[in-house]
Amino acid sequence: AQKVTQTQTSISVVEKTTVTMDCVYETRDSSYFLFWYKQTASGEIVFLIRQDSYKKENATVGHYSLNFQKPKSSIGLIITATQIEDSAVYFCAMREVNNNAGAKLTFGGGTRLTVRP
Amino acid sequence: NAGVIQTPRHKVTGKGQEATLWCEPISGHSAVFWYRQTIVQGLEFLTYFRNQAPIDDSGMPKERFSAQMPNQSHSTLKIQSTQPQDSAVYLCASSLEGFSNERLFFGHGTKLSVL
Repeated sequence: AQKVTQTQTSISVVEKTTVTMDCVYETRDSSYFLFWYKQTASGEIVFLIRQDSYKKENATVGHYSLNFQKPKSSIGLIITATQIEDSAVYFCAMREVNNNAGAKLTFGGGTRLTVRP
Repeated sequence: NAGVIQTPRHKVTGKGQEATLWCEPISGHSAVFWYRQTIVQGLEFLTYFRNQAPIDDSGMPKERFSAQMPNQSHSTLKIQSTQPQDSAVYLCASSLEGFSNERLFFGHGTKLSVL
């Protein structure tokens, strides 16, 4: 069974610095997709970025990038030049590729990021 | 595009009463997912539909919970004889075709409080 673990429950950083959030996962599948989502204070959950397991290059979108270390089953989220509005709970998630297209998304426990002035 | 719409935003029920939660996916999306979020358990998968057909309900409690998708424009999650431990935020999400590489679009959730 797939499992996603985020060991950092909360992180606090100063505005405009870089932060890295850790995530490790367990899967028996050779192909899978890794996602990061953000939940704002209002409760809204929004997609940030995706990494395909078969791709060696790390995904980058805006000031979000990933540190994908497949041998370690690790997918870290890096936020550069953090802003106050980046304060939120960040979830790592995984979906396996199987014969039943559209497998469920399994989430980690989340990391609460606080960006302070 | 109004996004995924969930109604009601808040629902309060007494123990033993029935609760029905509604979800309207994004128009054109063929996959609908239900999740439950609590402080203790985090985000838990409940069930999902693709082209209105139930595909995976492995996360649904076997008793009292049921989900349906009678047409492309809405899905319902029904909880019979609600219990205090059912209190949670129930989130609906949709995606274009339900493929594994697709992002999910989440609704704002329905906060269910069982007294």
